[in-house]
Amino acid sequence: DTAVSQTPKYLVTQMGNDKSIKCEQNLGHDTMYWYKQDSKKFLKIMFSYNNKELIINETVPNRFSPKSPDKAHLNLHINSLELGDSAVYFCASSPHAASNTGELFFGEGSRLTVL
Amino acid sequence: GENVEQHPSTLSVQEGDSAVIKCTYSDSASNYFPWYKQELGKRPQLIIDIRSNVGEKKDQRIAVTLNKTAKHFSLHITETQPEDSAVYFCAASNDYKLSFGAGTTVTVRA
Repeated sequence: DTAVSQTPKYLVTQMGNDKSIKCEQNLGHDTMYWYKQDSKKFLKIMFSYNNKELIINETVPNRFSPKSPDKAHLNLHINSLELGDSAVYFCASSPHAASNTGELFFGEGSRLTVL
Repeated sequence: GENVEQHPSTLSVQEGDSAVIKCTYSDSASNYFPWYKQELGKRPQLIIDIRSNVGEKKDQRIAVTLNKTAKHFSLHITETQPEDSAVYFCAASNDYKLSFGAGTTVTVRA
């Protein structure tokens, strides 16, 4: 029973392509996130949604577009992929609305490689 | 915004010795300080956290201390074991956003 699941786990694609990563949580949490982990292991928040509403949008290129069809799902679509987009993308959820004073539950990560 | 600095970036310890990782933060409004452990190829997982009204918290071999005046907090691992080898991240939250440190790669030598 995976709490936060993301697909695909691995994604290899060419520059210029468009790709999506899907995330689902079955914990009943209100808040979901996308984090990017680069080759130096740095974890940087990209987006946060609370009950389907965008609450955090860091300085991410507009080629990245999150979409939350319901509070259990947060997908990430990336247009016109660039080499620098290669990273591991982690989806996460937390129980608290709009507050980060609670545990983040991470998915297993999606390793994106852009050739 | 919040800026979290973490030191050292790498740490090698002999099995059985202690490991200490230190973090500083910039936003005095931050009130929640979790630590995450990420084993190779795995997801980050919360190992311990501390809130601003507490100075120290312990859970078996790990402990965290917080000095709000100086804006720094530390993770202490005692009697290190090979399974403690991982990347450890500190983080600070001001109720709006959780900001992570850059991570410390801990290697426990047998």
